[in-house]
Amino acid sequence: GAGVSQSPRYKVAKRGQDVALRCDPISGHVSLFWYQQALGQGPEFLTYFQNEAQLDKSGLPSDRFFAERPEGSVSTLKIQRTQQEDSAVYLCASSWGTSGATGQYFGPGTRLTVT
Amino acid sequence: AQSVSQHNHHVILSEAASLELGCNYSYGGTVNLFWYVQYPGQHLQLLLKYFSGDPLVKGIKGFEAEFIKSKFSFNLRKPSVQWSDTAEYFCAVNTNAGKSTFGDGTTLTVKP
Repeated sequence: GAGVSQSPRYKVAKRGQDVALRCDPISGHVSLFWYQQALGQGPEFLTYFQNEAQLDKSGLPSDRFFAERPEGSVSTLKIQRTQQEDSAVYLCASSWGTSGATGQYFGPGTRLTVT
Repeated sequence: AQSVSQHNHHVILSEAASLELGCNYSYGGTVNLFWYVQYPGQHLQLLLKYFSGDPLVKGIKGFEAEFIKSKFSFNLRKPSVQWSDTAEYFCAVNTNAGKSTFGDGTTLTVKP
């Protein structure tokens, strides 16, 4: 079956532009996660959804970052007024469980470059 | 807050050598522990996980990891590496609260 897909795979934005990153999780997966990965580092948690409910957004770095999952499947991460420090790979992951014990399935990521 | 430390940033081995990658975490409660692998040009994928029971867990491709609660460690091992094991390896901890915390990864290069 299809895995987690993300689009676009690459995005170049000028500083100050708004961007929207899309994630299609594995069908039926209840939990969806967004991570930010800077070069040479591990993924850093941004936010977590269980179905359409955003249960944890403690990792969002500023109020310029916003995520939604309105119907409990596809999710969008939006970054307003992009800054150079937003340049990173944005990873989406999904899992069928809610306990955290099941492990996560990752997408290929969106590489965002802010110029 | 939980944190994960991977002590080896880059490991270089010859084929057939034994591998052990260190992972320590800081969190006083119940944890779920994971190793993920990212092969060149591919997605992060789950290698193995521990959430309860036998502290020695086996994963895909001959990898295993041992959870030692007293040492807050979850080291990854493989008795004999292959060139195809060249990849980046990430240790992660989850506390049943949804989010996972990852280490900064270890790049493994296996020379043929």
